[in-house]
Amino acid sequence: EDKVVQSPLSLVVHEGDTVTLNCSYEVTNFRSLLWYKQEKKAPTFLFMLTSSGIEKKSGRLSSILDKKELFSILNITATQTGDSAVYLCAVDFGNEKLTFGTGTRLTIIP
Amino acid sequence: GAVVSQHPSWVICKSGTSVKIECRSLDFQATTMFWYRQFPKQSLMLMATSNEGSKATYEQGVEKDKFLINHASLTLSTLTVTSAHPEDSSFYICSARDLASGSETQYFGPGTRLLVL
Repeated sequence: EDKVVQSPLSLVVHEGDTVTLNCSYEVTNFRSLLWYKQEKKAPTFLFMLTSSGIEKKSGRLSSILDKKELFSILNITATQTGDSAVYLCAVDFGNEKLTFGTGTRLTIIP
Repeated sequence: GAVVSQHPSWVICKSGTSVKIECRSLDFQATTMFWYRQFPKQSLMLMATSNEGSKATYEQGVEKDKFLINHASLTLSTLTVTSAHPEDSSFYICSARDLASGSETQYFGPGTRLLVL
């Protein structure tokens, strides 16, 4: 069965710290892996990864995929209170549907 | 990025009534839209895939007679929760892909919070 697992489930850090969020998956087929940020409403798109080893970067956020070891990480440097959210990892297992992980709840303390 | 809207954003209704939620792609055409449900502190669970001009495909465990989906045009899909009960209270979110852009990214609507009393 296709599965997406995120860790940690929750994380509390101080403003300015760097965090690394993990997403691993078990898959019979793989098309892409996506990261979303969810605050109070629906998820907003961060990154889509399809190839191993190519880092995607947007400001203080970056992400990379390892298709051999079946995982991805999302890094946030110099965290700010506005980064507090639930970060969701989702995988497209080749059928255009997204399977979501449980999410990591990130809290940034001022 | 592509914009997806949902209406209404909030619904409170009595048990036994039906509730219709609209999902629109505002600046692109979407032959396929997806409906998700999210319970508090849980992740998104795909309910069904809405296909323009044909029947929706439901995930295992989702009752198609209870959650009616209509995708009548390339920019609009509707989800009707029929005879809603308190256990249907949840956050319902739709998403769509902008196929014309060549991107496989799914863009989400702002969601609809349903509270059934």
